[in-house]
Amino acid sequence: AQSVTQLGSHVSVSEGALVLLRCNYSSSVPPYLFWYVQYPNQGLQLLLKYTSAATLVKGINGFEAEFKKSETSFHLTKPSAHMSDAAEYFCAVSKGGGTSYGKLTFGQGTILTVHP
Amino acid sequence: DGGITQSPKYLFRKEGQNVTLSCEQNLNHDAMYWYRQDPGQGLRLIYYSQIVNDFQKGDIAEGYSVSREKKESFPLTVTSAQKNPTAFYLCASLFMDGVNYGYTFGSGTRLTVV
Repeated sequence: AQSVTQLGSHVSVSEGALVLLRCNYSSSVPPYLFWYVQYPNQGLQLLLKYTSAATLVKGINGFEAEFKKSETSFHLTKPSAHMSDAAEYFCAVSKGGGTSYGKLTFGQGTILTVHP
Repeated sequence: DGGITQSPKYLFRKEGQNVTLSCEQNLNHDAMYWYRQDPGQGLRLIYYSQIVNDFQKGDIAEGYSVSREKKESFPLTVTSAQKNPTAFYLCASLFMDGVNYGYTFGSGTRLTVV
């Protein structure tokens, strides 16, 4: 079974500081990996995804993530935090379609706080 | 624009009542999913459907039921057997072809037991 672990349920940074949200996954096959952002009482917005192309993935709003197979990690970074980045972030893994049916497994989420 | 519409946005249920959450998509996606979100637990899969008239239980299906009579629609019923239904519910659909792979999410329904 696949699983996702997000290290740190809460992360706090200063505006302008580096954002680093950690995600480790387990999967028996090469996975598809996703980072989503969620604002209160809203759905999920895709930040970026890894689908077996380039290992360094660039997303929206200045975020990027690097797929490291040897470390089974897919950490999310942003060089300079903005107040509008305050939200909850979810890492998720899928083994694709076929017998996996496209099921998406989520981490527990990380709440990012940005203070002035 | 194509997307997923969930309704209502807020729903209140009395003890012992069944309620149905609507999920409609105009993306022509085959696969659809229902997730439940609780604080600190991420999203957990309730049910999923790959094609019309077929669906499977996810990780937390007890107390829930679904139907898939049309490709566009995947309603979720929260039955009185669900002991703790207060949560945020998200519907999603999957797009995949030989090149692209991704999910579209609705904006969610917040269900509260009163």
